[in-house]
Amino acid sequence: DAKTTQPPSMDCAEGRAANLPCNHSTISGNEYVYWYRQIHSQGPQYIIHGLKNNETNEMASLIITEDRKSSTLILPHATLRDTAVYYCIVRVVNDYKLSFGAGTTVTVRA
Amino acid sequence: NAGVMQNPRHLVRRRGQEARLRCSPMKGHSHVYWYRQLPEEGLKFMVYLQKENIIDESGMPKERFSAEFPKEGPSILRIQQVVRGDSAAYFCASSPKVGDSPLHFGNGTRLTVT
Repeated sequence: DAKTTQPPSMDCAEGRAANLPCNHSTISGNEYVYWYRQIHSQGPQYIIHGLKNNETNEMASLIITEDRKSSTLILPHATLRDTAVYYCIVRVVNDYKLSFGAGTTVTVRA
Repeated sequence: NAGVMQNPRHLVRRRGQEARLRCSPMKGHSHVYWYRQLPEEGLKFMVYLQKENIIDESGMPKERFSAEFPKEGPSILRIQQVVRGDSAAYFCASSPKVGDSPLHFGNGTRLTVT
């Protein structure tokens, strides 16, 4: 019942921006886009979420297309510690479940 | 503000023994969720609890597994008569409320059944 599609892996250079795409073409009006990441041997870490407007916090920016069918997570200056599996998740408002897919394995290289 | 605390980080049990996994949610969070990550697989929802109540246990195996979140103290995930297939990482998450509120996860308990 995957609601999102992400590339299985991507590399990026240390110090450069990392742009992680996510397709969610069947998203409904009452569904948020959430991003989490999981660094090896740790629990998932919340990054950011949004409904339809672009969002920015101290970790990342979330750009959601106008039709809401896709989004991009931007890590502005990737570091080696950003190497992780990144999960894009669609979550219904007032739903308590998060459904994790396979995510994108991001490797930041020096 | 301390995050979600899980203990132990690593737990080794022989087949047939019991495993008890503890989770202390973030301060002010009354909603607790348990997820399981089998080796080389994704995270799967197991159970959702509010204080003293199980709200949804649809992802939890019907036998040998139980969860509680008492009025006082941590949430406990209990696995009786463990088998090798129970070997996994078990993650707890908490949130202050349901809705537009992110879940915050602990660093998990890695259970190994020998």
